Amino acid sequence: GQSLEQPSEVTAVEGAIVQINCTYQTSGFYGLSWYQQHDGGAPTFLSYNALDGLEETGRFSSFLSRSDSYGYLLLQELQMKDSASYFCAVRNTGGFKTIFGAGTRLFVKA
Amino acid sequence: GAVVSQHPSWVICKSGTSVKIECRSLDFQATTMFWYRQFPKQSLMLMATSNEGSKATYEQGVEKDKFLINHASLTLSTLTVTSAHPEDSSFYICSAPKGRGAYNEQFFGPGTRLTVL
Repeated sequence: GQSLEQPSEVTAVEGAIVQINCTYQTSGFYGLSWYQQHDGGAPTFLSYNALDGLEETGRFSSFLSRSDSYGYLLLQELQMKDSASYFCAVRNTGGFKTIFGAGTRLFVKA
Repeated sequence: GAVVSQHPSWVICKSGTSVKIECRSLDFQATTMFWYRQFPKQSLMLMATSNEGSKATYEQGVEKDKFLINHASLTLSTLTVTSAHPEDSSFYICSAPKGRGAYNEQFFGPGTRLTVL
């Protein structure tokens, strides 16, 4: 089976940097994704790592270490609008099926 | 990016009735779509994989006779909640992957909020 662990809540101030960690256990691994979801809305795709290393997209970066079954999402120059839930998700081999972690609620304070 | 739509966006029904939710990929073809359920402040739980032209694949613990899935075309999948009960009240979200090979991005519909009275 698959399981993912990420912190339930993180609080940070506007302009700061925050890192949301994710560890996973899966039978077969094809990649780690990150999604953002605002209350009442649908998840939106942020990033995807299939290989070890850092992927940067604007203020957001994502890192993967397959040997450690670990990844993180890094958010820089935090803005109030970044307050949302962030989910890590794994794709296992053999298909597109994606399993989500429990989510991390990020609160950005002024 | 690609667009996935869902209809209706919200529905209120009486206990015992059936509700159909549509998921459409508007600007790409999707041979596979996924149906998720999300309870308040919880994660997205994968219910089933909808396959165009064949039977859906259900996750463990999901009743296939209660949650009927039909993938009628390359752009449409429907989820019917049969004999709905209050415990079925939830946020139902579909997604469709777009892309080939090792990389693909999941595009999510806006979700359907179901309330069963």
